[in-house]
Amino acid sequence: DIVMTQTPSSQAVSAGEKVTMSCKSSQSLLYSENKKNYLAWYQQKPGQSPKLLISWASTRESGVPDRFIGSGSGTDFTLTISSVQAEDLAVYYCEQYYDTPYTFGAGTKLELK
Amino acid sequence: EVQLVESGGGLVQPGRSLKLSCVASGFTFSNYGMNWIRQAPGKGLEWVAYISSGSSYIYYAETVKGRFTISRDNAKNTLYLQMTSLRSEDTALYYCARHGLLQWSYFDYWGQGVMVTVSS
Repeated sequence: DIVMTQTPSSQAVSAGEKVTMSCKSSQSLLYSENKKNYLAWYQQKPGQSPKLLISWASTRESGVPDRFIGSGSGTDFTLTISSVQAEDLAVYYCEQYYDTPYTFGAGTKLELK
Repeated sequence: EVQLVESGGGLVQPGRSLKLSCVASGFTFSNYGMNWIRQAPGKGLEWVAYISSGSSYIYYAETVKGRFTISRDNAKNTLYLQMTSLRSEDTALYYCARHGLLQWSYFDYWGQGVMVTVSS
């Protein structure tokens, strides 16, 4: 199974700060034939179901604010929030869909400082 | 608007069975693969099972293989998860989630989830 490791597990932030969180996979998620990374980011706010933010490591979903930026390739990925807003306080999960079993990282929880 | 509505959860004793349903609307259900994903209380996300649009491809997590069965009825726009030999570690909020159009794809829409509690 592909193991997804997210760091940090939690992060205290202030509104307006730039935030970065990391996701590392135990094997490459880059498919050589199409040069795509099979990596997604989800946001889960308290009491809500997860919401897809980013697919293919860097493609923002429709309606997702452009302050959310996905980057990385191979085994190392990053989600950056350029200027955190209060509504961004949530748990963020990365997930690989390169192979079954699809696996998630343990999540990074953004908290208010 | 895509909607996924799960039902069928509840309190069940260890070793018993339960069947979850997920009714889909707002898209052509028969064109999309579907998944069940669960989240134990206070924990992270665990993918459980996938079924392709025409039921030709089915995959399970090792933790549920042989005990859970995913199925679908495209005429009723409904996804199912038959759970047998339930264990306390199956206690979780179960989400149904739509698969993207490609065979290897992300989960683009999620339901609100249904709670399953396995306890004596």
